[in-house]
This record gives sequence, C-alpha cells and structure tokens, in this order.
Amino acid sequence: GESVGLHLPTLSVQEGDNSIINCAYSNSASDYFIWYKQESGKGPQFIIDIRSNMDKRQGQRVTVLLNKTVKHLSLQIAATQPGDSAVYFCAERLGSNFGNEKLTFGTGTRLTIIP
Amino acid sequence: DTGVSQDPRHKITKRGQNVTFRCDPISEHNRLYWYRQTLGQGPEFLTYFQNEAQLEKSRLLSDRFSAERPKGSFSTLEIQRTEQGDSAMYLCASSLAGRTVSYEQYFGPGTRLTVT
Repeated sequence: GESVGLHLPTLSVQEGDNSIINCAYSNSASDYFIWYKQESGKGPQFIIDIRSNMDKRQGQRVTVLLNKTVKHLSLQIAATQPGDSAVYFCAERLGSNFGNEKLTFGTGTRLTIIP
Repeated sequence: DTGVSQDPRHKITKRGQNVTFRCDPISEHNRLYWYRQTLGQGPEFLTYFQNEAQLEKSRLLSDRFSAERPKGSFSTLEIQRTEQGDSAMYLCASSLAGRTVSYEQYFGPGTRLTVT
C-alpha cells in the first residue's frame, strides 16, 4: 500500500544554520502534501503545504520542495532557532477526487537545534 | 482560544473499561478527523466526518471503537472494553472543505490514553 517515509530519523543542526528534512512518498496519485511540526506532548502543528501542481512553496523561514519524478519532498528551515527543535512529519493525501481525505504520515524526523 | 480542543487531555483506565473522548473543532470547519498516534510513530487515520456524516473508517477502527458527530459540531470517540494495545495519543483534527477544494487539517492537543 501507499506509504510515506523519512530518510533520517534524527537531525542535529547548529543554531543559525539551515536544515533540510527529507521525505519519500510512494503513491503517485497523491496530490497534496503537508509538513507538520510536533513538540513533546502537543498535537501536530501545521507548517506548510504544497499541491502536486507546484514544485516549490515558501513560507516564513520555511520552503517545501516537491519532486514528483522521484516522489520526494523536502522541508528547508532557514536560520534555525532553538524553538525549531521538534519532530517533523510529512504527510500525503490521495487526490481529492478519490473522495479520500485522510492523511498518511511518516514516522517523523527529530530535529535538534544545538545552541 | 479558537483552535481545536480535546477533552480530557489524559485518561488512565483499567483494561476492560469503556472510555469516551470529546473533540471540539474550529467553529467554521465542516470536516473532523480522528487519528491515533503511538510513541515514535506518525498519526494514523481512524475516521472522518463531513458535518454529521461519517464518510470513511479505517481498518484500524475495530468494532470496539465508535465515533459520532451528532450535530455536525463536536465529536466523540468511544472505545469499549479497552485493551492495553489501545494505549496511544488520540488526535482530533478539523478542516474546511468546499465543493472543489479542501484545506489543511488543524490538530488538537490530543488525549493520551493509558490502559493498565
């Protein structure tokens, strides 16, 4: 079945540096992707999303890149801050014309910002 | 606070007992989702509602689980005859969906269930 996975389970980055978190997905029918940040004891917090008709989208200090050819998604965080330390999940959704709204999540990458 | 809220935040119960969780979505959101998350894993979809209609249920949702959204606003998730394997964080999310587009899901803080 379809799955979303992450290349690296942990990532440590020096404060102020940029970080890149990668994600692979397997379902070519997915049309929508989201990155979530989850801090300990809290629910996932929406960061940024991207639809399959785009290959790049930018937010505040974050950029998501989508490569449909190799089914790869990445989250770039610029000028990392201690508050960026968390677990990051990518999630995919099958095309909405399938009538399927569920998100399929990967296992997450723990990002640690080193002061 | 206008985000998704869940109650209780923590629940400890003995095996075999029934438990019920409540989720209050963002007020204008017509879609409501339930997910389950175990330690070190990403959330797993359980079920979702559009208004009061339950549109999809995961195979994870055994007969012991039931979810309702009677008035299209808040939702409840009940687990009957709890088992230790039910111990997890139960997350609720909501979103706004139109005829041709749907938007990001916003999650609540979750209810952590521990079955002893």
